[in-house]
Amino acid sequence: AQSVTQPDIHITVSEGASLELRCNYSYGATPYLFWYVQSPGQGLQLLLKYFSGDTLVQGIKGFEAEFKRSQSSFNLRKPSVHWSDAAEYFCAVGLLLFSGGYNKLIFGAGTRLAVHP
Amino acid sequence: NAGVTQTPKFQVLKTGQSMTLQCAQDMNHNSMYWYRQDPGMGLRLIYYSASEGTTDKGEVPNGYNVSRLNKREFSLRLESAAPSQTSVYFCASSEALERYYEQYFGPGTRLTVT
Repeated sequence: AQSVTQPDIHITVSEGASLELRCNYSYGATPYLFWYVQSPGQGLQLLLKYFSGDTLVQGIKGFEAEFKRSQSSFNLRKPSVHWSDAAEYFCAVGLLLFSGGYNKLIFGAGTRLAVHP
Repeated sequence: NAGVTQTPKFQVLKTGQSMTLQCAQDMNHNSMYWYRQDPGMGLRLIYYSASEGTTDKGEVPNGYNVSRLNKREFSLRLESAAPSQTSVYFCASSEALERYYEQYFGPGTRLTVT
């Protein structure tokens, strides 16, 4: 069955430190991959997405992610974290449920990021 | 543009009561979705609507009904609320169903059933 795993439930980093959030997926075909961020009390906002091509994708707010097919991973990175990055981050895989192209998103359980000053 | 809006933001229900969650989008999107978010489980799809006039079940449809009122609006109804339906509900929309179309999310409705 298709699944998305975010191994880290909580991560705490110091402001200015680098960040890497892990995401692994289980899916037989090439997936469409997304990272969303959810600030407290807010809906989800798309940070970046990977469909094909260059495996290193750039997103908003200085985030990037790298697709590694051999590891079934799509880890999110940021070189220098800001206090405003404290939020919950969700990795998601877009699947085809049938030939019509249904845009089903399977979400990971999320990683909550805390940023220390 | 407001994007995706949801009402209400918060709601407390007693077991057995009914209510409708409202969702509207102003992006002229064809497809709309209802998700629920529970701690440690990410988001799970309840129902979706590929286009105006169509609705289909997602992963967890039991206990819910939906109506795609027009292209802009997609409502979620709980006919007889149960404590297991305590959750945060998100509405989302996208241009179309194809999997590469980004989904845009509303701010959510936090529902508590006592």
